[in-house]
Amino acid sequence: EPEVTQTPSHQVTQMGQEVILRCVPISNHLYFYWYRQILGQKVEFLVSFYNNEISEKSEIFDDQFSVERPDGSNFTLKIRSTKLEDSAMYFCASTLSYNEQFFGPGTRLTVL
Amino acid sequence: AQKVTQAQTEISVVEKEDVTLDCVYETRDTTYYLFWYKQPPSGELVFLIRRNSFDEQNEISGRYSWNFQKSTSSFNFTITASQVVDSAVYFCALSEREYNDMRFGAGTRLTVKP
Repeated sequence: EPEVTQTPSHQVTQMGQEVILRCVPISNHLYFYWYRQILGQKVEFLVSFYNNEISEKSEIFDDQFSVERPDGSNFTLKIRSTKLEDSAMYFCASTLSYNEQFFGPGTRLTVL
Repeated sequence: AQKVTQAQTEISVVEKEDVTLDCVYETRDTTYYLFWYKQPPSGELVFLIRRNSFDEQNEISGRYSWNFQKSTSSFNFTITASQVVDSAVYFCALSEREYNDMRFGAGTRLTVKP
């Protein structure tokens, strides 16, 4: 069964460094999303992406964040200059229809 | 703006008890979609169900059932004869348009004791 994959599973970085989180959505899906979950808290929407552009973003998704679909298979989230409060689990999701969003296993980002 | 409230932060039951997880939502849209996800200790998000605003039929899937009531803006989730493996955090979520982002509730941590 096709699934969303994310790499790495755990990323540790120093404050101020740039990180790129990678996702491979399910191959025929058209809509892509990033969510984050700070430890012990709820899942929060960051951004949605369709037809090679951002379709919606939340107030969390500021200028430090960017997304890209560089090669038609990967979907990346870049954080330019990480802060301590960026430490969280980051989930990628994709969907073809409105039935459900398929979530990846997540990348745990730790900013020291 | 859309909003999802899960007032129960934590619930603890003994195996074989029935348990209901509450979800109340707010939206100005007449078309919207409601979801439940399970997050076990391993951390992944497991899809359980999706409901359209125009389909108020309740649903049963094995030990799981969902009660959708537009009149009270609620979408409650019941586990019958709970098992230890049901222990997880359960999230209710709302999406106001097709393909739109989902807004999650704060989650309810369910602990089922043997």
